[in-house]
Amino acid sequence: GENVEQHPSTLSVQEGDSAVIKCTYSDSASNYFPWYKQELGKRPQLIIDIRSNVGEKKDQRIAVTLNKTAKHFSLHITETQPEDSAVYFCAARPPGFGNEKLTFGTGTRLTIIP
Amino acid sequence: GAVVSQHPSWVICKSGTSVKIECRSLDFQATTMFWYRQFPKQSLMLMATSNEGSKATYEQGVEKDKFLINHASLTLSTLTVTSAHPEDSSFYICSARGGDGYTFGSGTRLTVV
Repeated sequence: GENVEQHPSTLSVQEGDSAVIKCTYSDSASNYFPWYKQELGKRPQLIIDIRSNVGEKKDQRIAVTLNKTAKHFSLHITETQPEDSAVYFCAARPPGFGNEKLTFGTGTRLTIIP
Repeated sequence: GAVVSQHPSWVICKSGTSVKIECRSLDFQATTMFWYRQFPKQSLMLMATSNEGSKATYEQGVEKDKFLINHASLTLSTLTVTSAHPEDSSFYICSARGGDGYTFGSGTRLTVV
């Protein structure tokens, strides 16, 4: 089955600087890669996703890049703000419209230092 | 947008009793429901996948007789933790798939005393 590794496990960044979180996946068939933000005790919220036919996607301060050959994808947050502090999870999913499950990375605790 | 309502948000129960957690998709039909368990400072661990009207598929190591899942309709799935023990204390969260997206419930913090 799919295996997703995520690094780093913790990341502290000065406010205004950029943060980068990296994930690798094992199943070359996976074609959907979402990123979730989870605040303490709350539900994961989708912040951005990318499909395998695209190499990069941006949404304001957030961007995701995908390298299918190397089987890795990264989350980039620019101009970080205190409210970006949270745990971020990457995930990967194989193709299909049935009960294909997301496989999550182990999470990155991002702390923005004011 | 798609909303999944999960109840209760927290529950404290005595050891040996059963607890039922409900997840409802409010504005879409959830063809598939995923149930996760999350320990503090850890990732989401998939427990089982359920499709409406059929038996759930459990992940390896998850006791199907202990964690009963019912997905009787396209808008409601339930997880019942039977004969709960303190080691079952955790954050349980559902995720409904409707179309190509996934929507998470707000989670249930279960404490077994």
